[in-house]
Amino acid sequence: NAGVTQTPKFRVLKTGQSMTLLCAQDMNHEYMYWYRQDPGMGLRLIHYSVGEGTTAKGEVPDGYNVSRLKKQNFLLGLESAAPSQTSVYFCASSYSTGGPPDTQYFGPGTRLTVL
Amino acid sequence: LAKTTQPISMDSYEGQEVNITCSHNNIATNDYITWYQQFPSQGPRFIIQGYKTKVTNEVASLFIPADRKSSTLSLPRVSLSDTAVYYCLVAPNQAGTALIFGKGTTLSVSS
Repeated sequence: NAGVTQTPKFRVLKTGQSMTLLCAQDMNHEYMYWYRQDPGMGLRLIHYSVGEGTTAKGEVPDGYNVSRLKKQNFLLGLESAAPSQTSVYFCASSYSTGGPPDTQYFGPGTRLTVL
Repeated sequence: LAKTTQPISMDSYEGQEVNITCSHNNIATNDYITWYQQFPSQGPRFIIQGYKTKVTNEVASLFIPADRKSSTLSLPRVSLSDTAVYYCLVAPNQAGTALIFGKGTTLSVSS
């Protein structure tokens, strides 16, 4: 199992450009999440999905859109990138055991710089 | 979700036991306490989770007093490779709950 993979690993954008970050998981997990992490900060939830075809907003959703067309993929889109979106983006996935909270499995991250 | 408070940073030496305490005064009845570890340039990794009393696994122990308003992550005999950020989270036992990560505790282990 590859676990959670993220594409690309690094990207530099100019202000106003658009891009899509891809997250893929091969663990058949129901739930997927997108976080951002800024220097000296913890992770902040952008959007998440509780199943194929569903998405929900997290703490900091503005400026981002997401789609979950396939169970194994969760896409994060930036329509018009801004310097404030310079960050490291982490994707995670989890499944429910029906008991304690899910364990989230994280990808390696995408480092995005917006000039 | 209950808010958590933990020290910003801690320093230790190799071979010592490290205890990181987390405060969660507003924890709800169906909340669990979970700890994640994050190494530089990597995503967080689950360490341990508990509801009450004590939980132990191959990596750490988690102590939770009866009132559950705090918890302590214990790392026995740390090594340089335990240098990381440790996050304390509180979350209910319902499927697909998004976790709230704070700034965590940066543990620095020296030789």
